[in-house]
Amino acid sequence: DAKTTQPTSMDCAEGRAANLPCNHSTISGNEYVYWYRQIHSQGPQYIIHGLKNNETNEMASLIITEDRKSSTLILPHATLRDTAVYYCIAIGGSQGNLIFGKGTKLSVKP
Amino acid sequence: GAVVSQHPSWVICKSGTSVKIECRSLDFQATTMFWYRQFPKQSLMLMATSNEGSKATYEQGVEKDKFLINHASLTLSTLTVTSAHPEDSSFYICSARKFPAQETQYFGPGTRLLVL
Repeated sequence: DAKTTQPTSMDCAEGRAANLPCNHSTISGNEYVYWYRQIHSQGPQYIIHGLKNNETNEMASLIITEDRKSSTLILPHATLRDTAVYYCIAIGGSQGNLIFGKGTKLSVKP
Repeated sequence: GAVVSQHPSWVICKSGTSVKIECRSLDFQATTMFWYRQFPKQSLMLMATSNEGSKATYEQGVEKDKFLINHASLTLSTLTVTSAHPEDSSFYICSARKFPAQETQYFGPGTRLLVL
């Protein structure tokens, strides 16, 4: 599975959009980009995933560049409850394992 | 939905005793379940992968005789920490993939183990 690189931390004002970047320059054609988040002392929560096309669900949007070497998770209207560590993971199909890096610690401030 | 539960949510035990942690997929059947461990201020580390009815596959450095995993049904996996020691104190988290095989893993809330 491809290695991903994320900023260590980010701040965002409450009510504004939070844009979390992720680099995955060695991603292969069959690897999906997955995003999870972990709120303090809880298990990780699935957010969204994608292969090539941009994706949107009730939680977030995922923008994947055309060359698939990077992606951005967008939380359109961040709230204080979105404060968490966000993990970007590249994983190949149903046989791959989720390997967690250090993620991005997002702090949403009032 | 895709809800995964763990029991207990926290446990304190004496050194040398064994502790069993249950992981259940409540509203779906899981082909594969995973066990992770997380130490304070660190990321999750995959310990083992288990498929229903077969032996678990352990990651390098994880002692299979110490961390016994049983995946007896498509909705239940258990992790038993045998002869627990203080260094086994950690946050243990399970996850499950839906049947038939899909990529997305859904995580339980975690079990905090403290060994005295």
